[in-house]
Amino acid sequence: KNQVEQSPQSLIILEGKNCTLQCNYTVSPFSNLRWYKQDTGRGPVSLTIMTFSENTKSNGRYTATLDADTKQSSLHITASQLSDSASYICVVSGQAGTALIFGKGTTLSVSS
Amino acid sequence: GAVVSQHPSRVICKSGTSVKIECRSLDFQATTMFWYRQFPKQSLMLMATSNEGSKATYEQGVEKDKFLINHASLTLSTLTVTSAHPEDSSFYICSAPTRVLTNEKLFFGSGTQLSVL
Repeated sequence: KNQVEQSPQSLIILEGKNCTLQCNYTVSPFSNLRWYKQDTGRGPVSLTIMTFSENTKSNGRYTATLDADTKQSSLHITASQLSDSASYICVVSGQAGTALIFGKGTTLSVSS
Repeated sequence: GAVVSQHPSRVICKSGTSVKIECRSLDFQATTMFWYRQFPKQSLMLMATSNEGSKATYEQGVEKDKFLINHASLTLSTLTVTSAHPEDSSFYICSAPTRVLTNEKLFFGSGTQLSVL
């Protein structure tokens, strides 16, 4: 069964600190993996998208890694800001034309 | 970059009424759009795939007569919640890919919070 598991479910960190969110998947065959940021009451906004051959991709203070062999991905946030407080969703795409598989997300709270 | 506009952002209605939600692709054509439903602290759940010029494809367990989808043009898809009841209260989100075959770029609307009294 195609699944996407994210951990931790929630996380609280102090402003300025770094954090890493995890995503494990069982989707096969694999096409790409995306990380989205979703603010409360808003639609998700794309952070990164990685295909099978990509190991890392950065978007400002956000850096995503992908290990297609172990089917694991991480999202590292550097020097966190209050505005980083949101839900971070990992989404995996199978072969072309198949539905996206959404993780349940990690809720990040950055406090001052 | 590509933008998907969704309206309204919030709607409150009485039980038994119908509510229409619009999803527009502003600077690209979307032959396919996706409609999701999201409960608090839960993941997005795909409800249906909207196809321009043809019938929508509904996920298992989603009533097509309850959630009417119309994709009349390459830039507009609508979701109508018919005879809404309190259990239909949820956050509804649309998305549109710019490349259908690979879903390479997928843009989401800002969502619609529906509250049925």
